[in-house]
Amino acid sequence: DAKTTQPPSMDCAEGRAANLPCNHSTISGNEYVYWYRQIHSQGPQYIIHGLKNNETNEMASLIITEDRKSSTLILPHATLRDTAVYYCIVRVLSGSARQLTFGSGTQLTVLP
Amino acid sequence: GAVVSQHPSRVICKSGTSVKIECRSLDFQATTMFWYRQFPKQSLMLMATSNEGSKATYEQGVEKDKFLINHASLTLSTLTVTSAHPEDSSFYICSARTAPAQNGYTFGSGTRLTVV
Repeated sequence: DAKTTQPPSMDCAEGRAANLPCNHSTISGNEYVYWYRQIHSQGPQYIIHGLKNNETNEMASLIITEDRKSSTLILPHATLRDTAVYYCIVRVLSGSARQLTFGSGTQLTVLP
Repeated sequence: GAVVSQHPSRVICKSGTSVKIECRSLDFQATTMFWYRQFPKQSLMLMATSNEGSKATYEQGVEKDKFLINHASLTLSTLTVTSAHPEDSSFYICSARTAPAQNGYTFGSGTRLTVV
C-alpha cells in the first residue's frame, strides 16, 4: 500500500468547510484512496473512497488531483461532532480480505 | 448497514487475570476479522488476523500465547488477553470485512482495557 502523509492537526470553525489534505505521491494505478475517521474512544468509521474521479456522499466530498498524487477530504459544514482523527489510506480494492493499515492521521478540531 | 458489535466496552481487571473480548458481526458473515490495539495518542496497530475455522495470523511482536484468538463461527471472534499486566492496558478494536467492494470494512466500538 502506498504511503500517505497528512498534517498532524487542523482547526476549523463550526459551520465552515473543513478541508483535510493527504499526499500519496507513490500511489499506483490500481490503488484507491480511502478516508476513515475515529472519534475519541470509538472505532473508526468509513467516510468515503475514490479512485480518480471526485466523489461525494452524505458525509463528505473527496477531491483527487489529476495526477492522483494528493487528495482532499471536504466536510462542507463542519459541526462539533466532526471533531475526530481523520485517516487517509491508500490501497488496492482486493477481492481478498486484507487489513487496513492506519497512519498517524489528522486531528481535526472543530471550534465553536 | 453492516454492524460489528464489540463487548465489553470497558473492563478493569487485576494483574495476572485473563479477559475475553467478543466481536460479533450482527447482520453478515465474516470469515475474516482483524484485531487492532491502540495506545493513547497513537494510531491503530494490527495485532492479528482472525480466520473462521483456522488459526489466527499474528503480527510480528505480538505473542500468540498471550493474546488468544478464537474464530469458531462466521459471526463471532474472541480475543482473550491472558495473564494481563498493566502494560496490556490499551484500547482494543475489532474489524470485519463486509463486502468485496467499496468500503468493505466495519469496526467495532472498541474495548478499553485497564489492568490494575
